[in-house]
Amino acid sequence: ELKVEQNPLFLSMQEGKNYTIYCNYSTTSDRLYWYRQDPGKSLESLFVLLSNGAVKQEGRLMASLDTKARLSTLHITAAVHDLSATYFCAVDKAGGGADGLTFGKGTHLIIQP
Amino acid sequence: GAVVSQHPSRVICKSGTSVKIECRSLDFQATTMFWYRQFPKQSLMLMATSNEGSKATYEQGVEKDKFLINHASLTLSTLTVTSAHPEDSSFYICSAARPGRSTDTQYFGPGTRLTVL
Repeated sequence: ELKVEQNPLFLSMQEGKNYTIYCNYSTTSDRLYWYRQDPGKSLESLFVLLSNGAVKQEGRLMASLDTKARLSTLHITAAVHDLSATYFCAVDKAGGGADGLTFGKGTHLIIQP
Repeated sequence: GAVVSQHPSRVICKSGTSVKIECRSLDFQATTMFWYRQFPKQSLMLMATSNEGSKATYEQGVEKDKFLINHASLTLSTLTVTSAHPEDSSFYICSAARPGRSTDTQYFGPGTRLTVL
């Protein structure tokens, strides 16, 4: 059974600081996703990571994937209040969209002025 | 980008009634769609995989007779919660993957919030 573990589950930080969210998964997977969810809303796609060593950046967020360690990270640089949200990582067992996703429990991020 | 819609966005119903939720891919054809459920302050849990023209595949612990899925066309999947009870109250979200595009992410609908009284 595929398991996806995120940590921390809750994070309160100040604007301007850097921090990293970690995502471990238990079995071999073709791809790793990061999503953002605002309260009462659905998921917004942030990154899709497809291969070992993949690194993607968008604004203050950067995601990386180490398939050998079965670890992905989401790094936040110089956090701003607008990044407050819940962040989920998810793994697709089969790749190519053939399987549904297994999600981590999510990291609830609060960024305080 | 790809867009997935859901209808209704919010529904309140009485216990014992059935509720149908629609999921549409608006600008691509989806042979496979997925249904997830999210309880308050929890993660998303995959309920079932909806396959166009064939029976849905349900995850362990999900009652197929209670959560009826129909994927009648390449752009529409429906989830019917039959004889709904208060414990079925949840946020239901569908997703679709664009076929043949290995680099694409799965696109999520806006979700349907179901409240069973």
